Amino acid sequence: SQTIHQWPATLVQPVGSPLSLECTVEGTSNPNLYWYRQAAGRGLQLLFYSVGIGQISSEVPQNLSASRPQDRQFILSSKKLLLSDSGFYLCAWSGLAETDTQYFGPGTRLTVL
Amino acid sequence: GQNIDQPTEMTATEGAIVQINCTYQTSGFNGLFWYQQHAGEAPTFLSYNVLDGLEEKGRFSSFLSRSKGYSYLLLKELQMKDSASYLCAVTDSNYQLIWGAGTKLIIKP
Repeated sequence: SQTIHQWPATLVQPVGSPLSLECTVEGTSNPNLYWYRQAAGRGLQLLFYSVGIGQISSEVPQNLSASRPQDRQFILSSKKLLLSDSGFYLCAWSGLAETDTQYFGPGTRLTVL
Repeated sequence: GQNIDQPTEMTATEGAIVQINCTYQTSGFNGLFWYQQHAGEAPTFLSYNVLDGLEEKGRFSSFLSRSKGYSYLLLKELQMKDSASYLCAVTDSNYQLIWGAGTKLIIKP
């Protein structure tokens, strides 16, 4: 069966510091991968998605970036965090079909102080 | 623009039935998902509807009317563990998943 991992689970970072969140998927090949952010009491905002190694699509302009160095690894990064970057970051995977269900990792709760 | 509307919060009693509505206005339609999200946790998949009608999965059922841009999630025999947020999401004509803000369901004993 497929499993998706994210780490760290929680993170407290000062404004201006860098960020690296990692997501890995097991038990499937060539997944579509997604990064979402969820602000407190709000819906999910799609940040990036990837259909293959090195292929990243950005949904919103921001100071975040994403990379997919391996088929089942997806990384979210920032060079300098802003207060507004605080939130719950979720990685998800789906199959290749465009209507395939997305399955979420456990998430990373980021607080920027 | 694209929009998905759900009630912000609902309250129901343990053992009862509750219906959570979702209406959508999107550029095209390629399916509707319901997810459950407990506080502080990730969303988990509940159901998928692409054709009109009712899909039943145990205590949970999901209904879709494409002509009305409307869906509902029906939860029967409510249990305390059903206290969670329920997210409605629609796949549009570009196969982008559009998310509602979610409905927080509070179950009282």
